[in-house]
Amino acid sequence: GENVEQHPSTLSVQEGDSAVIKCTYSDSASNYFPWYKQELGKRPQLIIDIRSNVGEKKDQRIAVTLNKTAKHFSLHITETQPEDSAVYFCAAKGSSNTGKLIFGQGTTLQVKP
Amino acid sequence: DAGITQSPRHKVTETGTPVTLRCHQTENHRYMYWYRQDPGHGLRLIHYSYGVKDTDKGEVSDGYSVSRSKTEDFLLTLESATSSQTSVYFCATMREGLYEKLFFGSGTQLSVL
Repeated sequence: GENVEQHPSTLSVQEGDSAVIKCTYSDSASNYFPWYKQELGKRPQLIIDIRSNVGEKKDQRIAVTLNKTAKHFSLHITETQPEDSAVYFCAAKGSSNTGKLIFGQGTTLQVKP
Repeated sequence: DAGITQSPRHKVTETGTPVTLRCHQTENHRYMYWYRQDPGHGLRLIHYSYGVKDTDKGEVSDGYSVSRSKTEDFLLTLESATSSQTSVYFCATMREGLYEKLFFGSGTQLSVL
């Protein structure tokens, strides 16, 4: 079945440094790849997403890249700030009209002041 | 978030009892999902729905059933609760189209003793 692998499971960076989280997916027909941020005790919130017809998307300090050939996509956060500390999830949606959306295992990002 | 209400917010029950969690949405979204969140496992898909009476299994469907008799309601039933089903359960709905986005409910903390 479909699978999404996410790495690393934990990531610690110094404030101002960049952070990169990587995901791979198994369903080559996947066409939508969102990233979610979850703060402690709260629900996940969408931070950025990308579709299969686009290779890269950027929103201020956050960017996502997609390599369809390798079935791989990544989240890049530049100039990290302590408020970026949270759990980040990637996800992939298959191309069928059933809307099945599978998440990765999550990455706990700690940004040290 | 997108008018999603989960009930109850918290529940404590005993092993072997049936439990039903309710998800209600006011956005008329076609797709609805139930995920469970456990440390180290991220968000795992239990069941999802792509329309009234149209449901399918996710990654961890054993011991769970769902029903969707109306667009706005998606029910998750634990037929005979076990301690391994202690978790946080999130309902989600998907807005389709150009501004595709998954919205989460606030979650239900379920403890099975």
